Amino acid sequence: AQSVAQPEDQVNVAEGNPLTVKCTYSVSGNPYLFWYVQYPNRGLQFLLKYITGDNLVKGSYGFEAEFNKSQTSFHLKKPSALVSDSALYFCAVRDSRGSTLGRLYFGRGTQLTVWP
Amino acid sequence: DAGITQSPRYKITETGRQVTLMCHQTWSHSYMFWYRQDLGHGLRLIYYSAAADITDKGEVPDGYVVSRSKTENFPLTLESATRSQTSVYFCASSDQVSGSHNEQFFGPGTRLTVL
Repeated sequence: AQSVAQPEDQVNVAEGNPLTVKCTYSVSGNPYLFWYVQYPNRGLQFLLKYITGDNLVKGSYGFEAEFNKSQTSFHLKKPSALVSDSALYFCAVRDSRGSTLGRLYFGRGTQLTVWP
Repeated sequence: DAGITQSPRYKITETGRQVTLMCHQTWSHSYMFWYRQDLGHGLRLIYYSAAADITDKGEVPDGYVVSRSKTENFPLTLESATRSQTSVYFCASSDQVSGSHNEQFFGPGTRLTVL
């Protein structure tokens, strides 16, 4: 079965400091991994994805994520946090099986708060 | 380019009433999805559709009905609303080209309250 775990409900970080939002996954077959961000009263916005290739994936707004196959992790990172990064972040894994191709399985979300 | 829209954005209804949430996308994406977002649960898939007239159940389909007669529309109907269906509902679409792994694009959501 496909699943994603985001072990932290909340992450708090000071502006200018590096941030990490953690995600671990479980899949059958190759993992296709995604990060989304949700601002208050908005839909989810795509940040980045890992399909294959370089383990370090760069995305929107200065975010990047590191794929680690041995640890089955896909942590979201940013070298220097901004107050405007405060939002709810979701990790998701893609089902690669043919019959359900396209489904995403989401984690419960991590609320990131960046204080000035 | 409107992208993906949902209507209504807010809806209050009573237990037992039928409610339809609308979703429309202008990209001609083949895949469309309905999720509900509840505190502590993240996003859970209700139904999805791979193309017009092709739909399939997700994790929490009970109490919901979908149809997809046209590629661009994917309405979600609550046949007899219950309080447990109070939630925020998101529609999403994706362009699934063979061999690609494209991201899903989300609508702004519908906040539904069942009294």
